[in-house]
Amino acid sequence: DAKTTQPTSMDCAEGRAANLPCNHSTISGNEYVYWYRQIHSQGPQYIIHGLKNNETNEMASLIITEDRKSSTLILPHATLRDTAVYYCIVRLLNSGYSTLTFGKGTMLLVSP
Amino acid sequence: EAGVAQSPRYKIIEKRQSVAFWCNPISGHATLYWYQQILGQGPKLLIQFQNNGVVDDSQLPKDRFSAERLKGVDSTLKIQPAKLEDSAVYLCASSLVSGLVAGYTFGSGTRLTVV
Repeated sequence: DAKTTQPTSMDCAEGRAANLPCNHSTISGNEYVYWYRQIHSQGPQYIIHGLKNNETNEMASLIITEDRKSSTLILPHATLRDTAVYYCIVRLLNSGYSTLTFGKGTMLLVSP
Repeated sequence: EAGVAQSPRYKIIEKRQSVAFWCNPISGHATLYWYQQILGQGPKLLIQFQNNGVVDDSQLPKDRFSAERLKGVDSTLKIQPAKLEDSAVYLCASSLVSGLVAGYTFGSGTRLTVV
């Protein structure tokens, strides 16, 4: 699996956009970028995934650079409830019996 | 749709004691996973079941950890005897299709403290 690099922590003011970067310079052509987040005392929760085009859903937007070596998860209007650890994971769309492997992620703190 | 249920929510035991955790996955999800999450780290896979068969238990410390999934539904993870370093959150997850990365649903976990 391609290795990912994320900042350890980030801060964001409530109501502002939170932009969480992820570097994945060894990503292969058929690997997707996935984002999960883990709110305190809960299990990880799927947010979004993409291959090469930008993606948007009700939770967030995912911007992947043209060379696919990095991506940014955007929470357009961060709220206090978005305070969580955000994990960037690079995997094949369907990895057979292979499972999710988590790094340490980015701790996002949204403050009033 | 009901989520992944886990119990107990918290457990405190002394070292060398035994403990068991229970997981009820989302109905119809064939694949079930147990993860261990030590404070400050991401979750680490312990074991993966496909229906009631083990697919991957390569990171399960088999001298003290055991898991079963009877009838392909509920699952139990046991530690016997527990060590101090087993203090962690134990997360259960399930997915409809094995390996579909976007399809994992996690429970809230069991926080184990070994003293």
